[in-house]
Amino acid sequence: QVQLVQSGAEVKKPGASVKVSCKASGYTFTNYYITWVRQAPGQGLEWMGWISTYSGDTNYAQKFQGRVTMTTDTSTNTAYMEVRSLRSDDTAVYFCARESHDSSTYYYDYWGQGTLVTVSS
Amino acid sequence: SSELTQDPAVSVALGQTVRITCQGDSLRNYFSSWYQQRPGQAPAVVIYGKNNRPSGIPDRFSGSSSGNTASLTITGAQAEDEADYYCNSRDTSSYHVLFGGGTKLTVL
Repeated sequence: QVQLVQSGAEVKKPGASVKVSCKASGYTFTNYYITWVRQAPGQGLEWMGWISTYSGDTNYAQKFQGRVTMTTDTSTNTAYMEVRSLRSDDTAVYFCARESHDSSTYYYDYWGQGTLVTVSS
Repeated sequence: SSELTQDPAVSVALGQTVRITCQGDSLRNYFSSWYQQRPGQAPAVVIYGKNNRPSGIPDRFSGSSSGNTASLTITGAQAEDEADYYCNSRDTSSYHVLFGGGTKLTVL
């Protein structure tokens, strides 16, 4: 069965970096893009960007360009998302999701369980 | 504009029908997908494309679209449908992904 399993919760100080992992299983990793979405406490879903697991191409939301890097390791079927220069408003649950599509739309059919990143001095 | 707009909150009586809407220019070019999120859980897709339900999603969930508005309809709402619902699409110029602000559904 398809699974996306993320790394555990992190506590970081302002200015530090965090790298969250998302290990995929149950399907051919390079056949599907991975998207990263975050959710601040009590807030909605915020798209951060996607990565092609086949080519490594990325597309980041404007507000994260220059501060976020998404990568993959196809030898371990794992996607990574690194955020640098953390601020308190980066405190959120970070989700990875597998992107599927049909002829009319894109959608996210499997999600990781989420990783809570807390930024606090 | 490259935004998706949802009503923040909607309520429905148990067993009645409720429609949750999502407005945005990108919906003229892409069908939306809809996600249900219960507290403390990851989102889960309930509708995608023209009106497709993943396996395991009850047939009381349906989707429709007209112009710049997408709708998620729950026919015969159940207590377990109480959750946050998010619409999702793509910005047609940048291929960036858009999420609506979410609608909190209360089943009375």
